[in-house]
Amino acid sequence: EIVLTQSPHTLSLSPGERATLSCRASQSIVRDYLAWYQQKPGQAPTLLIFAISTRATGIPDRFSGSGSDTDFTLTVNTLEPEDFAVYYCQQYGSAPLTFGGGTKLEI
Amino acid sequence: QVQLQESGPGLVKPSETLSLTCSVSGGSINGFYCSWIRQTPGKGLEWIGYIHHSGTTNYNPSLNNRVTISHDTSNNQFSLKLTSVTAADSAIYYCTRGHGWLTDTWGQGILVSVSS
Repeated sequence: EIVLTQSPHTLSLSPGERATLSCRASQSIVRDYLAWYQQKPGQAPTLLIFAISTRATGIPDRFSGSGSDTDFTLTVNTLEPEDFAVYYCQQYGSAPLTFGGGTKLEI
Repeated sequence: QVQLQESGPGLVKPSETLSLTCSVSGGSINGFYCSWIRQTPGKGLEWIGYIHHSGTTNYNPSLNNRVTISHDTSNNQFSLKLTSVTAADSAIYYCTRGHGWLTDTWGQGILVSVSS
């Protein structure tokens, strides 16, 4: 099983700043199958990024993903108030599919 | 726009079987992988398993063979059965649909508590 470790656990920033979230895998991710999700309180997660760096439909370009092998980053440029949420990475290349523990982005 | 809706009992007794159904509207389950994922404060998001429209299934080994996922393609639904539940199975259960193993559409989730 691939273990995903996200850091930091909590990130405190202000609107207009840039957020950098990290996701580290215990082994290489198959076929670059690494995704990021955003979850707001009381809601299901929503897909932001897949295949490391491809934005899902309707996702603004201030969200970007990068990385390779075992180290991945989600960057949110110029934070908007609606971006404050919990973010999860997920690998979907090897079963069992696994998620990171999440990073809470707070004001 | 495709929508997924979970349904089932919100309370299950220990040692019994948890049964949930996901109804899909605005799109088909044919050609997609349909999964169940659960979320708890302690363990976070946990993938339970998927069923492909062909009937192929894949389950998380951590659930110790207690899981069965099935589908009813004529009614555009798929279901989860989890046997011998304990308090550790209390969670929000989400049904999801995706292209390949990527989960791109989620239901709103259903809270299931295991308690006598």
